[in-house]
Amino acid sequence: AQRVTQPEKLLSVFKGAPVELKCNYSYSGSPELFWYVQYSRQRLQLLLRHISRESIKGFTADLNKGETSFHLKKPFAQEEDSAMYYCALTYNTDKLIFGTGTRLQVFP
Amino acid sequence: DAGITQSPRHKVTETGTPVTLRCHQTENHRYMYWYRQDPGHGLRLIHYSYGVKDTDKGEVSDGYSVSRSKTEDFLLTLESATSSQTSVYFCAISERQGLAEAFFGQGTRLTVV
Repeated sequence: AQRVTQPEKLLSVFKGAPVELKCNYSYSGSPELFWYVQYSRQRLQLLLRHISRESIKGFTADLNKGETSFHLKKPFAQEEDSAMYYCALTYNTDKLIFGTGTRLQVFP
Repeated sequence: DAGITQSPRHKVTETGTPVTLRCHQTENHRYMYWYRQDPGHGLRLIHYSYGVKDTDKGEVSDGYSVSRSKTEDFLLTLESATSSQTSVYFCAISERQGLAEAFFGQGTRLTVV
């Protein structure tokens, strides 16, 4: 079955430190992958999608099909990046599947 | 924010009672989803809809049913609520599968006592 794995429940860093939130998926085909973010008291919202190859708020994510990974990276974390981050996958159906999420805490 | 509204926002109910949560959208999006969010489990798909009267099960569908009689409304029903269904429920909408961005509602906090 298709699955999204986020091994870290909590990631704590200091402001200015690099951040990498890990995401691995299991799917033999070509999935579409996303990162969603939920800031405190806000709705879950799309951060970026792999097909766009974009950088949003300094975050980037590269799809590595060999390692079946889609890790989210930012070179210098900011306090306002503190949030819950979810990796998500959709494939040749109508389903959008999420990982268990990683809470990022950025300390001043 | 996309036009998506969940009601009620909070509900406390007793074990064994039926409960219906409503998701209403004004975006005319084809796809609608119900998720539950629990610590340690993240977001898990309950049911989804790919059109009026077209629905399918997600990964945690037992104990839940859905209906979509109009494009704009997607109802989630707990026929007989149990304490294990205490959770935060999120509705999401999407214009199309795959590449489309999903927009989420603000969530409904349901407590079954």
